[in-house]
Amino acid sequence: KQEVTQIPAALSVPEGENLVLNCSFTDSAIYNLQWFRQDPGKGLTSLLLIQSSQREQTSGRLNASLDKSSGRSTLYIAASQPGDSATYLCAVKAPGGGSEKLVFGKGTKLTVNP
Amino acid sequence: NAGVTQTPKFQVLKTGQSMTLQCAQDMNHEYMSWYRQDPGMGLRLIHYSVGAGITDQGEVPNGYNVSRSTTEDFPLRLLSAAPSQTSVYFCASRTERRGPYGYTFGSGTRLTVV
Repeated sequence: KQEVTQIPAALSVPEGENLVLNCSFTDSAIYNLQWFRQDPGKGLTSLLLIQSSQREQTSGRLNASLDKSSGRSTLYIAASQPGDSATYLCAVKAPGGGSEKLVFGKGTKLTVNP
Repeated sequence: NAGVTQTPKFQVLKTGQSMTLQCAQDMNHEYMSWYRQDPGMGLRLIHYSVGAGITDQGEVPNGYNVSRSTTEDFPLRLLSAAPSQTSVYFCASRTERRGPYGYTFGSGTRLTVV
């Protein structure tokens, strides 16, 4: 059974700092891994998607890497801003048409202090 | 292009009442899913559909029904609401026909059963 763990559960940093959020998964047979952002009381906004054949994806100040063999992904946020404060979720999808389930971690709550 | 639209945003039900949570997407995505999000439990898959007329159970299907008569709509029905169904419900969709291949989530329905 796939399990996804995110460490740390909460992180508080001063504005301008570069930071790394971690995501680990127990079964390396994944189709893709997706990072989401969730603001309090809001829905999930997709940040980056990494297919199983890819090693990393970049969007603006965000960079996500994937190491399937070790069951790890990291989300790197450069030059953090107060507007980056949110909960960050990673989710993995298994391959195959009969496995539509996304398995989510419980998230890392990020606070960027001005 | 509205993406995934969920209605209502908030709902209070009495125990035993029934209701339908609406979900519609305008991206011609073939896959649609319903998740619930509970504190400490993360997001869990309720039901999903791989195309019009085809649905299947997820991780926590009891107490919920779905149908998919069109590509665009995937309503979630609560048959007889229970306090344990108090949660935030998210609808999501994706496609295999073209990139990006990740999930798009709606903004959620916050349901309270009293």
